[in-house]
Formats: sequence, C-alpha cells, structure tokens
Amino acid sequence: GENVEQHPSTLSVQEGDSAVIKCTYSDSASNYFPWYKQELGKRPQLIIDIRSNVGEKKDQRIAVTLNKTAKHFSLHITETQPEDSAVYFCAASLGYGGSQGNLIFGKGTKLSVKP
Amino acid sequence: NAGVTQTPKFQVLKTGQSMTLQCAQDMNHEYMSWYRQDPGMGLRLIHYSVGAGITDQGEVPNGYNVSRSTTEDFPLRLLSAAPSQTSVYFCASSNSGRALHTQYFGPGTRLTVL
Repeated sequence: GENVEQHPSTLSVQEGDSAVIKCTYSDSASNYFPWYKQELGKRPQLIIDIRSNVGEKKDQRIAVTLNKTAKHFSLHITETQPEDSAVYFCAASLGYGGSQGNLIFGKGTKLSVKP
Repeated sequence: NAGVTQTPKFQVLKTGQSMTLQCAQDMNHEYMSWYRQDPGMGLRLIHYSVGAGITDQGEVPNGYNVSRSTTEDFPLRLLSAAPSQTSVYFCASSNSGRALHTQYFGPGTRLTVL
C-alpha cells in the first residue's frame, strides 16, 4: 500500500522567512496530494491541494510543487507570519471516488514562526 | 450547514468498557471516514464508508466497528476499550462524486482509556 514520508518533523523559522516541507510517496498510482494545517487543539483544515496533472499550484503565500517522476511533493510558505505556526500534514490518495479517495498521511511537521 | 459534527468532545473510559463515538454530516457526502491521531504518528485511517450500507477497513481497524445506516451518520464503536486506544479521533467526509476528493474534518473526540 501507499506510504508517505514527511520531513522535517520540526521546523523553526524567523518571521518573514520562507518555510519548505517535503513529502515522498511510494505508490506511483497516487494522483491527489492535499496539505492540511492543524492548529493546537483544532481539526485539520485543507490549505492547498494538487493533482498529478499539475506541476505547481499557488495560493497567495502558499505554493505546492509536485515531481511525479521522483514521487515527491513540497509545500512552500513565503513571508511567514506567527499565525502560520501549526502542524502541517501532507497526504496522498489515488484520487476520485470510493476507496480511491482514502488519504494516507505523513506524520506531520511542526512549524514554529518566531516574531 | 453545521458541516461535520462529533460527540462527545472528551471521554474517559475504563479498560473493558464500550462506547460509541458519534459523527454526523449535513452536506450529503457519500464518503465518510474515521482517523485516529497519536503524537508523532500523523492521522491513521481506521474505517471508511463510500455510502450508506457500505463500510470497509482502513490501516488500523482492530478493536473498532462501524456501521452506515444513513448517509448522514457514521458511528465508531469500541467494544472493549484498551489503553492503546487512547487517542484523538477525527471523523471526515467528502463528496466522492466530485474531483479532488476534498475531505472535511470534524472537531475531534479526545478519548482516554484508563
């Protein structure tokens, strides 16, 4: 089955710097890659996602890149702010419909943004 | 819309007790799932359902049962609680008929088994 590895497990940056979190996956058939942000004591919330037919997607300060050949994808946060501090999870799935939508998660990255 | 709701928010059980964690969604989503979250382990899929009357096992199903009698509800049952089941449990749902299969999570239930 699918296995998702996420690095680093913790990341500390200064406010205004960029942060990069990387994930690798094992199943070449996976074609949907969401990223979730979880604040302390809260539920995971989707912040951005990408499909396998797209190499990069951007939403304001957040971007995700995908390299299908190497089976890895990354989250990029620019101009970090203290409110970006949270745990970030990557995930992978086969995509649409039924059990193909099952998400396999990485173990998370705790991002701390120091003011 | 309330989205995905879960009850209770907190629960303490003794070893061997049984209980049901409730999950409901009002978005008419076909797909529902249960995850457990443990420190350093991420979110692991326990059981999922692709529609009323259909359930299947995820990565870590042992010790848990589910049923899906309606589209809205997807309860998770612990038949005989064990300390290893101490965790935070999240329910999630998505409209599997759509592209991207975005999953929306409930607020979670924090369970402690003594």
